[in-house]
Amino acid sequence: GAVVSQHPSWVICKSGTSVKIECRSLDFQATTMFWYRQFPKQSLMLMATSNEGSKATYEQGVEKDKFLINHASLTLSTLTVTSAHPEDSSFYICSATGRLAGVDTQYFGPGTRLTVL
Amino acid sequence: AQSVTQLGSHVSVSEGALVLLRCNYSSSVPPYLFWYVQYPNQGLQLLLKYTSAATLVKGINGFEAEFKKSETSFHLTKPSAHMSDAAEYFCAVRPNSGGSNYKLTFGKGTLLTVNP
Repeated sequence: GAVVSQHPSWVICKSGTSVKIECRSLDFQATTMFWYRQFPKQSLMLMATSNEGSKATYEQGVEKDKFLINHASLTLSTLTVTSAHPEDSSFYICSATGRLAGVDTQYFGPGTRLTVL
Repeated sequence: AQSVTQLGSHVSVSEGALVLLRCNYSSSVPPYLFWYVQYPNQGLQLLLKYTSAATLVKGINGFEAEFKKSETSFHLTKPSAHMSDAAEYFCAVRPNSGGSNYKLTFGKGTLLTVNP
């Protein structure tokens, strides 16, 4: 089964609303989680890196006040898109790194499709 | 600094033909290299990875890749394509150390289509 889950898998919202996306590591404690966004037919672009209990580190050009990341526990990180606009419509993918069966590994979630109307 | 270049945004092969997807990297430190596959509307699945052990790496679904330091390449191959191999493939690189350096840099992807 999947070792990293995301919820919801897809969401449609109205412009101006906020949307929260959850990323959970299921079989291991994730010391670091990464959030990516992917536009149609394009590659993954790293948005931010989050470590449990500390503030996220955002990549250049990513608005930290718009994309709020909370990594409250070793198994859960959330990305909140605040005051969403149509240009925020994208595929958001998280990944988690940790030690599973004694091996440091990185796993990707299945992604969340966000559509802002 | 690190970067990945995937040559060819779209590769089309016939079923049963050789699959070759090209990836060249640039890294200021010894890298770890990865190939991921993404099916439509899904996340990434790891095909294989190079972590400074054997230069020829075998992955899932019959894929393999060879790390060539002199050519700074990590091309992905499969001897015989199946229809189910049709997907987007991403090459990625990161420094060969742990912690926050798990941050991956992805190439732009190569869409593989397999013709019957």
